[in-house]
Amino acid sequence: GEDVEQSLFLSVREGDSSVINCTYTDSSSTYLYWYKQEPGAGLQLLTYIFSNMDMKQDQRLTVLLNKKDKHLSLRIADTQTGDSAIYFCAEPRSNDYKLSFGAGTTVTVRA
Amino acid sequence: NAGVTQTPKFRVLKTGQSMTLLCAQDMNHEYMYWYRQDPGMGLRLIHYSVGEGTTAKGEVPDGYNVSRLKKQNFLLGLESAAPSQTSVYFCASSFPGLAGGILEQFFGPGTRLTVL
Repeated sequence: GEDVEQSLFLSVREGDSSVINCTYTDSSSTYLYWYKQEPGAGLQLLTYIFSNMDMKQDQRLTVLLNKKDKHLSLRIADTQTGDSAIYFCAEPRSNDYKLSFGAGTTVTVRA
Repeated sequence: NAGVTQTPKFRVLKTGQSMTLLCAQDMNHEYMYWYRQDPGMGLRLIHYSVGEGTTAKGEVPDGYNVSRLKKQNFLLGLESAAPSQTSVYFCASSFPGLAGGILEQFFGPGTRLTVL
């Protein structure tokens, strides 16, 4: 999963915005994904974006996609303590039934 | 629906011992996957299966074997455990991703394995 790159840690104050960045490799990826892993649990799909979109907004979440730079970001507005988790960026493998995950960004929300 | 379940949740092995991790899903998914999660390395695919009776190697298959005798179950075996296999193991399942469509994987809660 090292083809997808993310920074490993992010610390943010409660109420501030969090921005998690990711670079991916396959310019032909149709969808790009953000998964969330809460402590002691497996991953869950958080949101995704279709490759012909630049931006997708879903309540407090905003996904930005820059295809030219192969850069994906996830912004969480008004970050809450429940947002403390590991966030994984993922892209499909070329055969469409495997995903390649980044190393995950651990987000810590401090009071 | 229970979703994806894994047994056991925790296990400690001595070097050279063998064990089998069981994954079960009740969503009638065709595809199933085994990953390992290590600090700073994210998720790495060990083996996967695209249907009952079929398996294939992922990124890090050495030291592991798998079987998919029933559609709902995917077993991961360690024949001779090594300390390097200390990790958290996740099973996942999904429907086939339609060409150009969304591929959502559903994950189990994980098995924490320590090899001494």
